[in-house]
Amino acid sequence: QSALTQPRSVSGSPGQSVTIACTGTSFDVGGYKYVSWYQQYPGKAPKLMIYDVSERPSGVPDRFSASKSDNTASLTISGLQAEDEADYYCCSYAGIYTSLVFGTGTKVTVL
Amino acid sequence: QVQLQESGPGLVKPSETLSLTCTVSGGSISGYYWSWIRQPPGNELEWIGYIYYSGSTMYKPSLESRVTISLDTSKNQFSLKLTSVTAADTAVYYCAATASSSWASGFDYWGQGNLVTVSS
Repeated sequence: QSALTQPRSVSGSPGQSVTIACTGTSFDVGGYKYVSWYQQYPGKAPKLMIYDVSERPSGVPDRFSASKSDNTASLTISGLQAEDEADYYCCSYAGIYTSLVFGTGTKVTVL
Repeated sequence: QVQLQESGPGLVKPSETLSLTCTVSGGSISGYYWSWIRQPPGNELEWIGYIYYSGSTMYKPSLESRVTISLDTSKNQFSLKLTSVTAADTAVYYCAATASSSWASGFDYWGQGNLVTVSS
């Protein structure tokens, strides 16, 4: 039941794009279409940014996009803004014996 | 807009039972999956389990022997009980809701979190 692997941190200047990778296995990310992404500010609850691999909930800016290839899911933030500075977690269904697994988390810094 | 609010003690002694309640407002219990998720200080999130509005449940296998999630539709609340706690259970506990027909799609709504510390 290992957590999905994410880079500890990524950074970019305002207006640039950053991509966060979420690496799993064929038993989780690679095996199902249920990957979600969450944004979390310090001391706050997570917020759903992406569900079902690449779907955006109502109200989430279209600067946030996501995809999946083999065992790796990716979240891209285009046109980076200061308010995007937060922690981001991926999450994947992992079958009936593990159920759901989260990523290790990535801190996005806006330079 | 569904809103969630956790309540319960912030301190639990080792070997005792952790009990938390989540009150749902702004919507009905019906049609949602209701989950508990925790986050140890400085660590990643961990899904604990869910209860569907029909009453069916699913728990994380490694916690299943100690976890019970129940629903009180008359009060629009659902609850978490975690037995035989240790320091490793110290975490911020969140309640969350999934609106999709698939419980694994994503957690649309979250409570603000309740820090529970296990210590004597």
